[in-house]
Amino acid sequence: EAGVAQSPRYKIIEKRQSVAFWCNPISGHATLYWYQQILGQGPKLLIQFQNNGVVDDSQLPKDRFSAERLKGVDSTLKIQPAKLEDSAVYLCASSLEASGREQYFGPGTRLTVT
Amino acid sequence: QKEVEQNSGPLSVPEGAIASLNCTYSDRGSQSFFWYRQYSGKSPELIMFIYSNGDKEDGRFTAQLNKASQYVSLLIRDSQPSDSATYLCAVNSEAGSYQLTFGKGTKLSVIP
Repeated sequence: EAGVAQSPRYKIIEKRQSVAFWCNPISGHATLYWYQQILGQGPKLLIQFQNNGVVDDSQLPKDRFSAERLKGVDSTLKIQPAKLEDSAVYLCASSLEASGREQYFGPGTRLTVT
Repeated sequence: QKEVEQNSGPLSVPEGAIASLNCTYSDRGSQSFFWYRQYSGKSPELIMFIYSNGDKEDGRFTAQLNKASQYVSLLIRDSQPSDSATYLCAVNSEAGSYQLTFGKGTKLSVIP
């Protein structure tokens, strides 16, 4: 069974530029999550999708971050404009059930904002 | 605000010893508890989950849950150098969006 796929793996941008990340969840997993992991901290949930609907985006900085999951499979996370404090690893995870009990993570995208 | 607390470590144990990792959580409504292992530069990997009070064993790993004390732990028996990683505790409240809240992780070093 293929795991969660993410791209790109690394990205370096200057502040005020925009960036987009892509995620393809495990086949059949209806629930998809985007997390932000700053160095030395645990992952923090940014947004949760159930199929193509948003379940929770309470911690998403909506003035600069946006995410979509068209057709209920792939998802993209965008940052525009980026700030220095956005430097982090962006992790995508998926789970079979809406309860999110067992989440499986992709390899992540390491973003550096200079 | 839901909080999950872990000792950041590093926790150093000799090879073959038992490593004990601890986690406390603030939300009494929490129902599901998870341990993830994260190697440096890699993504978190689910290694154990526990839903009921008591112990749950899986190979060299044992998860222990005490809801009254809001405490969950992970024991690693016969620790190996390959167990050296950061261990993340995560808690799911199963209310609303079933959001997972992670601790900052405990870095474990197993010394050969």
